[in-house]
Amino acid sequence: NAGVTQTPKFRILKIGQSMTLQCTQDMNHNYMYWYRQDPGMGLKLIYYSVGAGITDKGEVPNGYNVSRSTTEDFPLRLELAAPSQTSVYFCASSPKGLNTEAFFGQGTRLTVV
Amino acid sequence: GENVEQHPSTLSVQEGDSAVIKCTYSDSASNYFPWYKQELGKGPQLIIDIRSNVGEKKDQRIAVTLNKTAKHFSLHITETQPEDSAVYFCAASRGRDDKIIFGKGTRLHILP
Repeated sequence: NAGVTQTPKFRILKIGQSMTLQCTQDMNHNYMYWYRQDPGMGLKLIYYSVGAGITDKGEVPNGYNVSRSTTEDFPLRLELAAPSQTSVYFCASSPKGLNTEAFFGQGTRLTVV
Repeated sequence: GENVEQHPSTLSVQEGDSAVIKCTYSDSASNYFPWYKQELGKGPQLIIDIRSNVGEKKDQRIAVTLNKTAKHFSLHITETQPEDSAVYFCAASRGRDDKIIFGKGTRLHILP
């Protein structure tokens, strides 16, 4: 039972580089989310999706893009990486929305230097 | 917008004692209040949640209370054990497609 799988687990980027954080879930959940976690700051919602083909902005979307072409996959794209994007990124999914239990992946630790 | 304050930021309790973590929220329309536990190197995991039509909910050693009038909710852990050491997050949401706002977290240390 894989649940939510994120890759890579760790990554170092140089300023201005781009990358895609991968997220896939095998629970057939409609809702998927991307959060960032900064030390002492809790979790901030970046983007979310209520189903394939539909995405919406969360609290902190600037500098990121997402797509949802399938129910299973929800990649997060960073264009022109900046030091402020150094963080731990979590992907999550839930069956029925933001007011139900979310299942989180193990996280991706990203450092921009 | 919604704001969730969580206290304390760090809490140390002797093994076997109780731990209480408190959160306040600002938006009276919030109706779903989950608590997540995050162990080192892992993603958060839901441990208990409560909706606004309920004042208290228990699950073995864990309980959550909600005071809608005062707009605060609390997590109670009784008979604490070493495996309770983790970071705990509270959160508040207004609905299925609305934002969910997390508190900044409480690092709980269980002392032997």
